[in-house]
Amino acid sequence: EIVLTQSPATLSLSPGEGATLSCRASQSVSSYLAWYQQTPGQAPRLLIYDASNRATGIPARFSGGGSGTDFTLTISSLEPEDFAVYYCQQRSNWPLTFGGGTKVEIK
Amino acid sequence: QVQLVESGGGVVQPGGSLRLSCAASGFTFSSYDMYWVRQAPGKGLEWVAFIRYDGSNKYHADSVRGRFTISRDNSKNTLYLQMNSLRADDTAVYYCAKGYGGNYQVFDYWGQGTLVTVSS
Repeated sequence: EIVLTQSPATLSLSPGEGATLSCRASQSVSSYLAWYQQTPGQAPRLLIYDASNRATGIPARFSGGGSGTDFTLTISSLEPEDFAVYYCQQRSNWPLTFGGGTKVEIK
Repeated sequence: QVQLVESGGGVVQPGGSLRLSCAASGFTFSSYDMYWVRQAPGKGLEWVAFIRYDGSNKYHADSVRGRFTISRDNSKNTLYLQMNSLRADDTAVYYCAKGYGGNYQVFDYWGQGTLVTVSS
């Protein structure tokens, strides 16, 4: 099973600041990595698939990068609605696995 | 627009059974792979099961294999999860999720979830 480790666990930032979230895989997942956003009480929302492709309707301030074992999700300038928990997910191997999440909170 | 509506959750005793349903609309259900993903209270996301668009292939997570079974009825646009021999650690919100399409095992639409509580 591929283990995804996200860091940091919590990121405390102010609106307007940039955010960089990390996801590291225990073995190469090529570019088969997705990112999701989850706000309290809501279902997750797909942001990025295959490392760098924004899903339909996702604002350009969200971008993804990386390949192999190291990936990043960047939010260029945080909007109030961006304070949430973010998860990465790999689709390289079964079972599909998620990282433990990074919470982006208001400083 | 795509809608996924789960039902069937509730409180069940350890060892009991439940069947979850997910009613899909707004897309051609029979053309897309479907998934169940769960989230224990205050915890992260865990993939549970996958079924190919035509039901020809299924995978289940090790944690539920032999106890849970995913199925679908394309004539009713409905996804199911039969859960048997439930344990306390199965307590979670269960989400159904639509596959992105093609061979992409990512989840582009999610339902709002249904809570399963396993407790005596």
